[in-house]
Parts: sequence; C-alpha cells; structure tokens
Amino acid sequence: NAGVMQNPRHLVRRRGQEARLRCSPMKGHSHVYWYRQLPEEGLKFMVYLQKENIIDESGMPKERFSAEFPKEGPSILRIQQVVRGDSAAYFCASSSSTGNMNTEAFFGQGTRLTVV
Amino acid sequence: AQKVTQAQTEISVVEKEDVTLDCVYETRDTTYYLFWYKQPPSGELVFLIRRNSFDEQNEISGRYSWNFQKSTSSFNFTITASQVVDSAVYFCALSEARRSNYQLIWGAGTKLIIKP
Repeated sequence: NAGVMQNPRHLVRRRGQEARLRCSPMKGHSHVYWYRQLPEEGLKFMVYLQKENIIDESGMPKERFSAEFPKEGPSILRIQQVVRGDSAAYFCASSSSTGNMNTEAFFGQGTRLTVV
Repeated sequence: AQKVTQAQTEISVVEKEDVTLDCVYETRDTTYYLFWYKQPPSGELVFLIRRNSFDEQNEISGRYSWNFQKSTSSFNFTITASQVVDSAVYFCALSEARRSNYQLIWGAGTKLIIKP
C-alpha cells in the first residue's frame, strides 16, 4: 500500500521556465492538499483539491500558480515563469473521503524546486 | 489570531541526553488539534502525534513523550536518552476546528542535533 507519491523529488528550473510537480495520493484518498516550505520555515497551506474540483485555493499566489486534480491521474501543481523566490520544498498530503486532516495526515516526500 | 511558536531554532545535545522541544500556540478556539512532525535530513515529513484540545493526558511512546498544558498553551515534546537518529527538524502544528481543518498552522521548526 504505497503512501503519497510525489515526483520528481528534485527539480531544477531556470528563471522563466515552467515547473510541474506531481502528487499521487494514497490509495482510496480523494482529497489532496499542497503546502510550500520555504527555507528555514514551516509549511504554508496553498490549495485543497478533490477530484476535478478546487475546494480552497486561498493560499495560492494569485499569478503563475495553478493546481488541478483530474479524474484520472495525479494532482499537478504548476508554476509558470518561475522566479528565484519560488525555490522551496512543495509537499502534498492526502486524506480519505471525509476530507479531514485532523487525523494523521499522510504527506509525500516533497519536491524540492530550485530555480537558477 | 492563531499562531504556533517554536522559540528554539536549534538545539544541540550529546547522545543519551534528554532534550525537550518547546511549542507554544495561540488560538481562540476551544476545539483544536495539535501535531508534531519530524523532518529528517532526507526531507520527508513523519507524523509523530496528534492531540485534541479536550485530551490533556500526557502521552508516552517509547523514548518520546508529550506534555500538553492548556493553562500555558504549550505542547512540549521530550526525547529521553537521545540518539543520533533523532537528529532532524521537528515541527509543531495547530489545526482549529472552526477553520478549514486542512489549513494547519505550522511553527518554524526546531533543528535538533544529536552528537555522538
């Protein structure tokens, strides 16, 4: 029973390029959450998605960032025209149909984005 | 306002010493949840414990113990007889029942270094 799978683990992009981060939730989980961890800081909520729906994107920057969770396939966090300030670790978590993170939250191993 | 403070940025101890990591939180809610996560050098997030606000019993799990005190809004974490493998960044987090429960509020983390 695989856990939350994120790929790639490490991603290097030049300024202005696009970054695509993928997250496959745990089996049976239909709720996905994305968090960003800047260096030396805790995690900050970005977006909460269910299959084919964005439930809450209040933590997403207004420009260049988007997220989707299609009916088939992983959730994708997309960052267009990356800048150095986007360099961070991006974590994905998933939960069961109750959409409740007040249980043990299952996190992926994160994708470390470096913008050069 | 809700907030989690981990005042200790970095702690360094010699192996076998006991060490306590402090966590102080702020919330107006009477119902909330507190978490501790471990982030080893490999970068993944490892869930350690979840505690709800109505359960003030201290918890012990092997060498780990947690002291929850509502009177001082603290949820401290103690490692007894520390080992080198305990070296990691430890995060305390808060989830409020009245808010979207996936919007965990994270402390900045305490980096724990265990020297052999």
